[in-house]
Amino acid sequence: AQSVTQPDIHITVSEGASLELRCNYSYGATPYLFWYVQSPGQGLQLLLKYFSGDTLVQGIKGFEAEFKRSQSSFNLRKPSVHWSDAAEYFCAVGAGDYKLSFGAGTTVTVRA
Amino acid sequence: DAGVTQSPTHLIKTRGQHVTLRCSPISGHKSVSWYQQVLGQGPQFIFQYYEKEERGRGNFPDRFSARQFPNYSSELNVNALLLGDSALYLCASSFGGTNTEAFFGQGTRLTVV
Repeated sequence: AQSVTQPDIHITVSEGASLELRCNYSYGATPYLFWYVQSPGQGLQLLLKYFSGDTLVQGIKGFEAEFKRSQSSFNLRKPSVHWSDAAEYFCAVGAGDYKLSFGAGTTVTVRA
Repeated sequence: DAGVTQSPTHLIKTRGQHVTLRCSPISGHKSVSWYQQVLGQGPQFIFQYYEKEERGRGNFPDRFSARQFPNYSSELNVNALLLGDSALYLCASSFGGTNTEAFFGQGTRLTVV
């Protein structure tokens, strides 16, 4: 069964600074990997996805993520954080079928 | 274009009652999935329906059931509500094949008292 670990529960970053959120997955074959963002009381918005091909994927809102098979990781990065990036971020893995398995999430706080 | 719509947005129920949550997928999407998100946790998979057939079920008790209608909308039903059923229930729609991404609705916040 697939699973996802997000080691950081909460990250605080200054506006304009870079951000990196960690994600490690467990799955026996090539996974389908996703990053979602959730604002308080809202649903999930897809930031980016990896299915195959180039291991560095670009997403919306200036985010990117890199798939590293050797490390079973799919870390999310943004070079310069804006106050509006404060939210909860979820990494998810899919097995190419119907079910997504999510991590517990990382809450990002942006300070002025 | 309309996204995934869920209704109601909030509701409060009493222990032991029954609840029905509704979801309308994005036009053209034939698959609907349901997730439960307890406060402070990531979403947990409950069901997926594709072309009106159940394709998968997560580790939830039989009190949880769902169905998909000919127009691809879906209902999630929960019987004999427990306090622990309090959560945000998320619906996601997709085209249903492999390599397809899921688009989530805003969710229904269920509070059981």
